[in-house]
Amino acid sequence: QAVLTQPSSLSASPGASASLTCTLRSGINVGTYRIYWYQQKPGSPPQYLLRYNSDSDMHQGSGVPSRFSGSKDASANAGILLISGLQSEDEADYYCMIWHSSAVVFGGGTKLTVL
Amino acid sequence: QVQLQESGPGLVKPSGTLSLICGVSGGSISSNNLWSWVRQPPGKGLEWIGEIYHSGTTNYNPSLKSRVTISVDKSKNQFSLNLSSVTAADTAVYYCAREDGRSPPNSFDIWGQGTMVTVSS
Repeated sequence: QAVLTQPSSLSASPGASASLTCTLRSGINVGTYRIYWYQQKPGSPPQYLLRYNSDSDMHQGSGVPSRFSGSKDASANAGILLISGLQSEDEADYYCMIWHSSAVVFGGGTKLTVL
Repeated sequence: QVQLQESGPGLVKPSGTLSLICGVSGGSISSNNLWSWVRQPPGKGLEWIGEIYHSGTTNYNPSLKSRVTISVDKSKNQFSLNLSSVTAADTAVYYCAREDGRSPPNSFDIWGQGTMVTVSS
């Protein structure tokens, strides 16, 4: 079982909100990890969006709009990237990441389609 | 503004060694940052390879550790990746990236544009 699991795809309408989940493997408690989120558009490197651990331990990437935000769902053992007011330019792949056992682990990525 | 640029051969033969360099401009590799390599096979997700500090201290992905060497050249303001015994499974876009601190957990706040490396005879 993968350390981080993301749905492979998600579709949402312009102006709506999209909630992208990153589920941690059983036995790895989301409460103890900073969750990092990256956006990648075709042909470009990933771009850091934000980090979320708690409301007192979070960081927004430089120039990243406030409509991108992070949270956690402890009951689902998952990190969440919420994108509000979806725009066509938000169509991209989104990756979550954690540091686990002194190594970086990425989720498999979610392809977000805005239509 | 710090910029990163990957360079190296785009084609490597199976069982050979993949060697890439990441040049750092607009800043010093001796800053309080770790420097990483990340790769992405065509159409697939991201995989972290490893990281280095300007002191030479390294940390590698356990799944690649036996084949990976990352080194730093402070005089040239660059760091390098060597991946030995390559197979077709190592075909990927290779990115270098800066971490936003000297001690994990860090984010990767600056990325190079990436370079495609194909393993084929």
